[in-house]
Amino acid sequence: GDQVEQSPSALSLHEGTGSALRCNFTTTMRAVQWFQQNSRGSLINLFYLASGTKENGRLKSTFNSKESYSTLHIRDAQLEDSGTYFCAAEAWGYGSSGNKLIFGIGTLLSVKP
Amino acid sequence: GPKVLQIPSHQIIDMGQMVTLNCDPVSNHLYFYWYKQILGQQMEFLVNFYNGKVMEKSKLFKDQFSVERPDGSYFTLKIQPTALEDSAVYFCASSFSGAETLYFGSGTRLTVL
Repeated sequence: GDQVEQSPSALSLHEGTGSALRCNFTTTMRAVQWFQQNSRGSLINLFYLASGTKENGRLKSTFNSKESYSTLHIRDAQLEDSGTYFCAAEAWGYGSSGNKLIFGIGTLLSVKP
Repeated sequence: GPKVLQIPSHQIIDMGQMVTLNCDPVSNHLYFYWYKQILGQQMEFLVNFYNGKVMEKSKLFKDQFSVERPDGSYFTLKIQPTALEDSAVYFCASSFSGAETLYFGSGTRLTVL
């Protein structure tokens, strides 16, 4: 079954508001990355977390490996935040063979004026 | 941030022909990856590559697929022969070690007719 369960699949926000995206993991993960895929299809790195919380501007992400979830909080949403947001997790055991990311299905975020 | 370049951005090819997708990874990175995304859906891992060798490949990495990075030049994905179901966006990624942030290129959209 799917190892990375991402929700919601779609989200609509008005400018200035905020919300949270969540990924649940069905197996223990070593680290998580969050990406924004813009309208041109490019993947923009947002966060890499092996644990704890990181904040960058209006974005904040948490990874709780013990409870197997990660969240991405967006506050004061702007029109340019629109796009698809993906979480992607690394399972344990890859080490020197290179990290293989398992992606969630994505959250399509639409920010409206 | 670090840039991964992919050439070309679009490729249209007739079924049965060979295609080579090129990736210029971040200069000091040692691990290289290909991912496949169909119609803006979930990103799927294809293969990772380190020290001149394939470390792991998924079931999507068919026998018609091959990767190489001759003499530190482009990291390439070759499909020979192509099939209709190979139509997708192929993303290259790289990382310095096997346990940190992956940086993605902007993708090559492959259309097989």
